[in-house]
Amino acid sequence: AQSVAQPEDQVNVAEGNPLTVKCTYSVSGNPYLFWYVQYPNRGLQFLLKYITGDNLVKGSYGFEAEFNKSQTSFHLKKPSALVSDSALYFCAVRPIQTGANNLFFGTGTRLTVIP
Amino acid sequence: EAQVTQNPRYLITVTGKKLTVTCSQNMNHEYMSWYRQDPGLGLRQIYYSMNVEVTDKGDVPEGYKVSRKEKRNFPLILESPSPNQTSLYFCASSFLGASGTDEQYFGPGTRLTVT
Repeated sequence: AQSVAQPEDQVNVAEGNPLTVKCTYSVSGNPYLFWYVQYPNRGLQFLLKYITGDNLVKGSYGFEAEFNKSQTSFHLKKPSALVSDSALYFCAVRPIQTGANNLFFGTGTRLTVIP
Repeated sequence: EAQVTQNPRYLITVTGKKLTVTCSQNMNHEYMSWYRQDPGLGLRQIYYSMNVEVTDKGDVPEGYKVSRKEKRNFPLILESPSPNQTSLYFCASSFLGASGTDEQYFGPGTRLTVT
């Protein structure tokens, strides 16, 4: 069975500081990994994905994520946080062997950037 | 504008009164999916469809029905809603590329309250 863990319900960071939102996964075989962001009263928006290749993936709004196979992690990072980055962030995994594009989501991490 | 639309955005209803939440996408996507979002549980998949007339259960299908008669539409039907179906519902769609790695596009959400 596949699962995604986001160990922190809430992350607070000062504006201008680097931020990290953690994600670990459990899946049979190799996964495809995604990060989505949800702003208040909006649907989820795609940020970035890891499929294969370079372990460091760059995405929208200056975000990046690092795939670590040995630690089964896919942490989201940004060098300098903005107040506008405050939102709910979801990590998701799609097992490669499934034919459908079904995603399994973590429980979400609320990021608050303090001015 | 490429988008996924859902209607209604907000709905308050009573136990047992049949309702339908519509979902439509204008991107010619093959894949469509319904999720529910609950605090502390993240997003859980209800049903998905890989093409017209092809639907399948997700992780939490009980109490829901779907249909896919046209490629652009994927309505969610609650035949006899119950209070435990009070939730925030999202429709999503994507292409089904050869690698199945296409990101999903989400609608704005439908907040359903069943009393």
